[in-house]
Amino acid sequence: EAQVTQNPRYLITVTGKKLTVTCSQNMNHEYMSWYRQDPGLGLRQIYYSMNVEVTDKGDVPEGYKVSRKEKRNFPLILESPSPNQTSLYFCASSLGVERNEKLFFGSGTQLSVL
Amino acid sequence: AQSVTQLGSHVSVSEGALVLLRCNYSSSVPPYLFWYVQYPNQGLQLLLKYTTGATLVKGINGFEAEFKKSETSFHLTKPSAHMSDAAEYFCAVSPFYNTDKLIFGTGTRLQVFP
Repeated sequence: EAQVTQNPRYLITVTGKKLTVTCSQNMNHEYMSWYRQDPGLGLRQIYYSMNVEVTDKGDVPEGYKVSRKEKRNFPLILESPSPNQTSLYFCASSLGVERNEKLFFGSGTQLSVL
Repeated sequence: AQSVTQLGSHVSVSEGALVLLRCNYSSSVPPYLFWYVQYPNQGLQLLLKYTTGATLVKGINGFEAEFKKSETSFHLTKPSAHMSDAAEYFCAVSPFYNTDKLIFGTGTRLQVFP
């Protein structure tokens, strides 16, 4: 089954404790992206990747890191989480946004930073 | 910068009534336009998209949207609401100047009453 898998589904952590949210897709997609969803703000793009070893900042990259060492994986790293990073996070992938291919979304990761 | 505005964060309709969800974009050059739907506790799914060509676009689950350049709008409609349509709907644009990006609106939550 074609899917984007995020883990964990829920995560509670404390300020400053490094964490990683994993994202994996099994569709051989080139494009992958991370979004955060906050009430009243919709989805905002954090980082995206056009292919292996190619990443770029989205609209709200501060406090986040990503890597794309393999085509299928695109982890989101919070080196020193802060309470304002409490949010619902989505990973997405597509054959290529520039070709207007649709995005496939994971089920989300609800992160709470205390 | 490109932006997208969804009028009304909440819309309520009766089952069988017309659904109208509004989306306006800011650009003198038509971007690529999308509607995504998010059911509770799930990621987003593509409903429909407009790139070029016919301005009336039909999507899944009986939804359609019409691109109106003169009004810079891309409103989503469905003639007859069903209980299963209750969800959050997001309009998104891919700017002509950077089709790598997908900018989401703030979302409209649709409630359907029996």
